[in-house]
Amino acid sequence: NAGVMQNPRHLVRRRGQEARLRCSPVKGHSHVYWYRQLPEEGLKFMVYLQKENIIDESGMPKERFSAEFPKEGPSILRIQQVVRGDSAAYFCASSLRQGEGTEAFFGQGTRLTVV
Amino acid sequence: GDSVTQMEGPVTLSEEAFLTINCTYTATGYPSLFWYVQYPGEGLQLLLKATKADDKGSNKGFEATYRKETTSFHLEKGSVQVSDSAVYFCALSDYYGNNRLAFGKGNQVVVIP
Repeated sequence: NAGVMQNPRHLVRRRGQEARLRCSPVKGHSHVYWYRQLPEEGLKFMVYLQKENIIDESGMPKERFSAEFPKEGPSILRIQQVVRGDSAAYFCASSLRQGEGTEAFFGQGTRLTVV
Repeated sequence: GDSVTQMEGPVTLSEEAFLTINCTYTATGYPSLFWYVQYPGEGLQLLLKATKADDKGSNKGFEATYRKETTSFHLEKGSVQVSDSAVYFCALSDYYGNNRLAFGKGNQVVVIP
């Protein structure tokens, strides 16, 4: 009964490299959310996807960040040309449906360090 | 936009003490309210929730009541254990139900034996 699986758990990248973060939602869940947690901060919403569609990307930086959730395979959060300020914990969550009070299940997060 | 405010700073208390963590929110409409808990090295887990005014969410001895008049959702537990040591996040999802969560900054709770 696997929950949300994120990998890698820890990722180190040099400035200017690309970071790819993967998220496999709970089996049967078609709604995926990405959040970013900066040091000493709460989680901030980045993007909401359903299979093959981006529903709400109002929390995504306009440049260098992209997300996808293909028909087959995990959701991917991609950060191009990383900078020190991208260092954070990135959490993925999934839900079975959309609606009032729906529970979101979270993964353990990927901790990105940019050196 | 929607936002959640949690009391500042970590909380340190002795085993069997009473725990309160304050949470207030700002939102248009009628959001759903949640408390999530994050144990060391883990992801966030839903602790409890409430979807309408005066609802009380409860789980594992924790309780929180949705107070529309004070826009609050304070978390309480009558007798904490060492195993309750974790970070606690208050969150809301907006009225339109897209499940996008707005989180408070979280409170580190340390329970000393």
